[in-house]
Amino acid sequence: LAKTTQPISMDSYEGQEVNITCSHNNIATNDYITWYQQFPSQGPRFIIQGYKTKVTNEVASLFIPADRKSSTLSLPRVSLSDTAVYYCLVGYGGSQGNLIFGKGTKLSVKP
Amino acid sequence: GAGVSQSPRYKVAKRGQDVALRCDPISGHVSLFWYQQALGQGPEFLTYFQNEAQLDKSGLPSDRFFAERPEGSVSTLKIQRTQQEDSAVYLCASGSRRSNRDRVGYEQFFGPGTRLTVL
Repeated sequence: LAKTTQPISMDSYEGQEVNITCSHNNIATNDYITWYQQFPSQGPRFIIQGYKTKVTNEVASLFIPADRKSSTLSLPRVSLSDTAVYYCLVGYGGSQGNLIFGKGTKLSVKP
Repeated sequence: GAGVSQSPRYKVAKRGQDVALRCDPISGHVSLFWYQQALGQGPEFLTYFQNEAQLDKSGLPSDRFFAERPEGSVSTLKIQRTQQEDSAVYLCASGSRRSNRDRVGYEQFFGPGTRLTVL
């Protein structure tokens, strides 16, 4: 499965837009790109998933260039409650099941 | 709610004890996954079930770890003769397919985890 590389940590302030970029040079044709969010003492929570171009939902946008070797999670106008660890994953995650999480990006939002 | 539940939430065991961790997946979800998360690390895959069939157990760290899902719903992760290095959070997830406009993806729903501390 493709490995991912993302920053260990990021700092931001309330109200700012935060962009977290993930590299996945060895992504396979059938792989999706998925982002999960994890708060302390909770399990990861699905944020957004995409295959190509741009995907937007009520909490985030996901930008995927044509070569799909990277992706960017965009969080608009973050608040203190967005402080969490964000994981970028590639894979299908269905029949195989073995999603590889990595260490994620610890986002700290300050007032 | 109708999410994934796990019990117990916290478990303290003496080294050498056997423990059993329970996962109740979302009703109707065919797929069920177990992950192990050490402090400060991302979750690591342990094993995967589709209904009652264990299709992948490549992530189980040793033969002391055993998982079952006999009726295709509730699953139990058992750790025999616990060691201190088994201390971690054990996460369970159940999965479902997501229909996007052009392709079908997949989403895993995680429970809150069981924090196991082996003394």
